[in-house]
Amino acid sequence: DAGITQSPRYKITETGRQVTLMCHQTWSHSYMFWYRQDLGHGLRLIYYSAAADITDKGEVSDGYVVSRSKTENFPLTLESATRSQTSVYFCASSEVLAGGPGANVLTFGAGSRLTVL
Amino acid sequence: AQSVAQPEDQVNVAEGNPLTVKCTYSVSGNPYLFWYVQYPNRGLQFLLKYITGDNLVKGSYGFEAEFNKSQTSFHLKKPSALVSDSALYFCAVRASRNTGGFKTIFGAGTRLFVKA
Repeated sequence: DAGITQSPRYKITETGRQVTLMCHQTWSHSYMFWYRQDLGHGLRLIYYSAAADITDKGEVSDGYVVSRSKTENFPLTLESATRSQTSVYFCASSEVLAGGPGANVLTFGAGSRLTVL
Repeated sequence: AQSVAQPEDQVNVAEGNPLTVKCTYSVSGNPYLFWYVQYPNRGLQFLLKYITGDNLVKGSYGFEAEFNKSQTSFHLKKPSALVSDSALYFCAVRASRNTGGFKTIFGAGTRLFVKA
């Protein structure tokens, strides 16, 4: 099915472990984003990518690593998970078109709820 | 640096009454502005956007928003609220393409509660 999928949907891990959240989109959108959603903070940008092999830091990138070897995939890795990284993580994609209703609009995945014990 | 402020954590309105959810922004150059909605236990959905043109933009589910450049605001409005409009609303901003940005920054969100 076309769309943007995140996996796993739910993950419980322990402090210090490495965790990777996967994001896959089928539209061949150029732009992809990772956000975390926390009560009182809304959505905060972790990393974003303009194309394969082009990534950049967002507002809260410390402790996270991303890669984008293929246009359709944008995995997010927590190298050594901490309790403060307990959150709901959303992946999104976007295409920048010259115009039209879909231009510049982010389409979100269903989210991955991560709990770090 | 880009930023978005949603000054109200929660907005309460009676069904049938007009609603307004406030948003102010800061960005270099001309802004691209967006509203998204999140229903309980759901992902985020796009509502409407302002890129250029008419300051009043119309979106999904009867929502509209007015871009005010002098006040750097982009308030979300609806003439007659429905109970089903109860959700979490996010305002977002990104810089225009000619300033080199596509990073999209969100506000903290405003919870809308519509009472029957």
